[in-house]
Amino acid sequence: AQKITQTQPGMFVQEKEAVTLDCTYDTSDPSYGLFWYKQPSSGEMIFLIYQGSYDQQNATEGRYSLNFQKARKSANLVISASQLGDSAMYFCAMREGPDNFNKFYFGSGTKLNVKP
Amino acid sequence: GAVVSQHPSRVICKSGTSVKIECRSLDFQATTMFWYRQFPKQSLMLMATSNEGSKATYEQGVEKDKFLINHASLTLSTLTVTSAHPEDSSFYICSANVRGNSNQPQHFGDGTRLSIL
Repeated sequence: AQKITQTQPGMFVQEKEAVTLDCTYDTSDPSYGLFWYKQPSSGEMIFLIYQGSYDQQNATEGRYSLNFQKARKSANLVISASQLGDSAMYFCAMREGPDNFNKFYFGSGTKLNVKP
Repeated sequence: GAVVSQHPSRVICKSGTSVKIECRSLDFQATTMFWYRQFPKQSLMLMATSNEGSKATYEQGVEKDKFLINHASLTLSTLTVTSAHPEDSSFYICSANVRGNSNQPQHFGDGTRLSIL
């Protein structure tokens, strides 16, 4: 079974609107971390937001928030007030276990296009 | 923030050449670094986990003799693509972890675009 599933290969959103990028995960480890990265066409990976499995509240970082539904094993990224510069690939990733040296599992990504 | 530097950013070379890619953690020590390969419009594929002072751990299907990894210091890991051929053309990107809490993300270099003619 896939560890991380992103079911939206591509998404369009109107500038200034909010958009939700879906991510579901599969693990039996009670301790894990969920991460979202943005990859513009230039290729660099930009860390956006983190959610720990034991965190009680949804993570937020500026215009980014994570809708964490533990029972459903989903960790959707919400981008509010979309900007043209948000157009990029977005990857959801998971690290299992408490050790921060464990490897990441990446989803297949979602290509977000923000329309003016 | 933690900075990872990857060099070179782009390589174009002839078939049969060996190519070395460097990944440096500039402001922190990284006992563990990761090497990924990414094909166009696809996700990152983990190739190997590089451990300082010991042998790298390769993912299934990755040829150890083809992709040599050396992690000789706490700030430098290198990936050497030996006798590269056109099918090795790809985007290679490294990452490193900062010691500490489990909420630390992997910090990525800017990647290397390798083109083998």
